[in-house]
Amino acid sequence: DIQMTQSPSTLSASVGDRVTITCRASQTISSWLAWYQQKPGTAPKLLIYKASTLESEVPSRFSGSGSGTEFTLTISSLQPDDIATYFCQQYNSYSVTFGQGTKVEIK
Amino acid sequence: QVQLQESGPGLVKPSETLSLTCSVSGGSISSFYWSWIRQPPGRGLEWIGFLYSSGSTHFNASLKSRVTISMDTSKNQFSLKLTSVTAADTAVYYCARVNRDYSYMDVWGKGTTVTVSS
Repeated sequence: DIQMTQSPSTLSASVGDRVTITCRASQTISSWLAWYQQKPGTAPKLLIYKASTLESEVPSRFSGSGSGTEFTLTISSLQPDDIATYFCQQYNSYSVTFGQGTKVEIK
Repeated sequence: QVQLQESGPGLVKPSETLSLTCSVSGGSISSFYWSWIRQPPGRGLEWIGFLYSSGSTHFNASLKSRVTISMDTSKNQFSLKLTSVTAADTAVYYCARVNRDYSYMDVWGKGTTVTVSS
């Protein structure tokens, strides 16, 4: 199975900061990567798919990049509403795995 | 737009079978792909399996021997059965719609908590 490793596990930043989360795959997954945001007590919400395509109605401060084995999720200017845990998800050969999550906090 | 709602018992005894249903509204179950995902308390997400519009399935290898996912087109629902449960199966269980081209989950149910305990 393909393993997905996210870093950091926890991130503390100030409002307005640029925030970057990394996801590394144990083998190449082309662009078969999605990012989700999960707030406490709620279901995950799709932010980005195909590594860099923004889902409809997601704020443009979110962006994704990468291909192969290394991917990033960037929040260009952190807002209080962005406090959440973020997960990456890969799809390859009929198998899905998620990263362990990155918790984003306000400093 | 498509909406999903999970339902089923919130408490299951060890060694018994966990059974959940996902009711789909706003779209036909036969037109899309579907998935079950779970999240143990305080932990990350674990994919359980896919249900394709043809009715065929694909499962997480670690759960494959215990999982069944099926659809009921007459009720526009799909279901999850997990046999021989243990405390490790305690989790919030989500159903989700799956994009047919890139296998990401674009619509999620709100989730239902299942506790395995005697």
